[in-house]
Amino acid sequence: AAGVIQSPRHLIKEKRETATLKCYPIPRHDTVYWYQQGPGQDPQFLISFYEKMQSDKGSIPDRFSAQQFSDYHSELNMSSLELGDSALYFCASSAPDPGGDYGYTFGSGTRLTVV
Amino acid sequence: QKEVEQNSGPLSVPEGAIASLNCTYSDRGSQSFFWYRQYSGKSPELIMFIYSNGDKEDGRFTAQLNKASQYVSLLIRDSQPSDSATYLCAVKGQAGTALIFGKGTTLSVSS
Repeated sequence: AAGVIQSPRHLIKEKRETATLKCYPIPRHDTVYWYQQGPGQDPQFLISFYEKMQSDKGSIPDRFSAQQFSDYHSELNMSSLELGDSALYFCASSAPDPGGDYGYTFGSGTRLTVV
Repeated sequence: QKEVEQNSGPLSVPEGAIASLNCTYSDRGSQSFFWYRQYSGKSPELIMFIYSNGDKEDGRFTAQLNKASQYVSLLIRDSQPSDSATYLCAVKGQAGTALIFGKGTTLSVSS
């Protein structure tokens, strides 16, 4: 079965550089979520999109922005990178839930290292 | 105060025993509750979800929900070494809002 695809898997950037992470949700999933997970930490919600519109916003820094495109893939743009941005970034998607909420399916993540 | 609280552990159980993982949440309006398993460096994997008070069983796993006490738990029967991982409790409020995760409980099953 198709899963959530994230690219790249690994990314090394220097301080003050920019980075773009991509996420391709499971086909027919209409909502995409971005999470940041630091070492030994729980996943922190950043932002979500439903039908290409921002649906919820969490602890996303102003230096970060995201969008969802017409093909439902999403990109997380990170500028002026700081050492503290080093983390695993997960994308997740969910399907329409007329009968209930079945949770998210997570991608394999992008490991960002800022040096 | 963290919205979803879990004992970080580690919780150590011998192979074949029952592992009990607990979670409390602060938002009384929360409607959906999830347990995810995460191996080190990997993405969270959904184990179970529960919406209604009571128990829900799926194979070796049982989720228990008590909305009055704002408490959700996960029981793992016949624990196996492969169950050794971090278990994340996640809670969702109203429709359209995102999952909020606890910090996770690390489970270690010894053979």
